[in-house]
Amino acid sequence: EPEVTQTPSHQVTQMGQEVILRCVPISNHLYFYWYRQILGQKVEFLVSFYNNEISEKSEIFDDQFSVERPDGSNFTLKIRSTKLEDSAMYFCASSEGSYTGELFFGEGSRLTVL
Amino acid sequence: DAKTTQPPSMDCAEGRAANLPCNHSTISGNEYVYWYRQIHSQGPQYIIHGLKNNETNEMASLIITEDRKSSTLILPHATLRDTAVYYCIVRVDGNAGNMLTFGGGTRLMVKP
Repeated sequence: EPEVTQTPSHQVTQMGQEVILRCVPISNHLYFYWYRQILGQKVEFLVSFYNNEISEKSEIFDDQFSVERPDGSNFTLKIRSTKLEDSAMYFCASSEGSYTGELFFGEGSRLTVL
Repeated sequence: DAKTTQPPSMDCAEGRAANLPCNHSTISGNEYVYWYRQIHSQGPQYIIHGLKNNETNEMASLIITEDRKSSTLILPHATLRDTAVYYCIVRVDGNAGNMLTFGGGTRLMVKP
């Protein structure tokens, strides 16, 4: 069964450092997403991406965040200068289209900012 | 803004049916009801969705009341591996962006 894969599974970084989280969405999917979950809190939407541009983003997704699809398979989330409060699980997801709410999520990347 | 209300936790005996309720009294006519679950901090997993009619797939059944103000997710024979947080989400299909709003969900504990 096709799946969304994420790397790394866990990353520890120092405050102020740049971090790139990588995702390989399901191959025939057209929409890509990042969500995050701070420990013990709700899953929160960050951004959706279609046709090489952001289609929707939340208030969390400020100028410190960016997304990119550098090639035909990878989808990345970059945090330019990490803060302590960026520590969370980051989930990538993909879907066939915006018409459906059936998203396929990866296993997540745990980011720890020290 | 919470559009759905779910009990924070429930227990279920292994092998029995788990019935997870969800209230969505302000649901609009074009909003679908989606259910996801999250097993121990893994990525959320899609379970099922519906608009008006009851739905069934290999994982679960979804019962939506006639007035669509509430629904119940049924796991017919719960196993220990069904222990997870279950999220009920309402969403308008066909919207660009596809943002899902997760609430607190119901933590289902399946016990031997």
